[in-house]
Amino acid sequence: AQKVTQAQTEISVVEKEDVTLDCVYETRDTTYYLFWYKQPPSGELVFLIRRNSFDEQNEISGRYSWNFQKSTSSFNFTITASQVVDSAVYFCALSEAISSNTGKLIFGQGTTLQVKP
Amino acid sequence: GAGVSQSPRYKVAKRGQDVALRCDPISGHVSLFWYQQALGQGPEFLTYFQNEAQLDKSGLPSDRFFAERPEGSVSTLKIQRTQQEDSAVYLCASSLGTRGGYEQYFGPGTRLTVT
Repeated sequence: AQKVTQAQTEISVVEKEDVTLDCVYETRDTTYYLFWYKQPPSGELVFLIRRNSFDEQNEISGRYSWNFQKSTSSFNFTITASQVVDSAVYFCALSEAISSNTGKLIFGQGTTLQVKP
Repeated sequence: GAGVSQSPRYKVAKRGQDVALRCDPISGHVSLFWYQQALGQGPEFLTYFQNEAQLDKSGLPSDRFFAERPEGSVSTLKIQRTQQEDSAVYLCASSLGTRGGYEQYFGPGTRLTVT
């Protein structure tokens, strides 16, 4: 069955530290998509990144980077030199392209990141 | 441009009351999703529309939940005879495409509290 696991419930770091948020997924589909969303205190989910299952190339966007490894079914997210504004709940999500014809997202439980000044 | 909007932002209902939650997707977006987010949890899929057709309602928790999108734009999620376990944030999302891989744009959600 499809599943997304974010084992870290809460992480607290001091500003400028690097932090990695873990995501492990389960799917039987050979074609699927992985996402990261940020949910600040305002509540609105903000899209960060999308990867498809055929593209294992790591991606960097400013202070954010993502490491996709199919061999371990992981899609981890690293924030370099964290800032107070990074404090939020971060969700990893999976969308299956074969089992589902809708594109619905399967979310993990979320990781609450607190960055202290 | 305008994002996804939802109304009301907050709703308090007494147990047994009916509620209606509205979602205005981004103009031109074919796909519309409803998710339910319990406190401290990730969002969970409720139902999906492609234009006005409801193609997947597998996530609706009971027959008290009903959704519609009659003209393929605005959508309404209705909950009849609300129960305390219905208390959650209800999120609406829309996307341009009709299958997986498209970014979903989320609204701010409606926080429903059933007393």
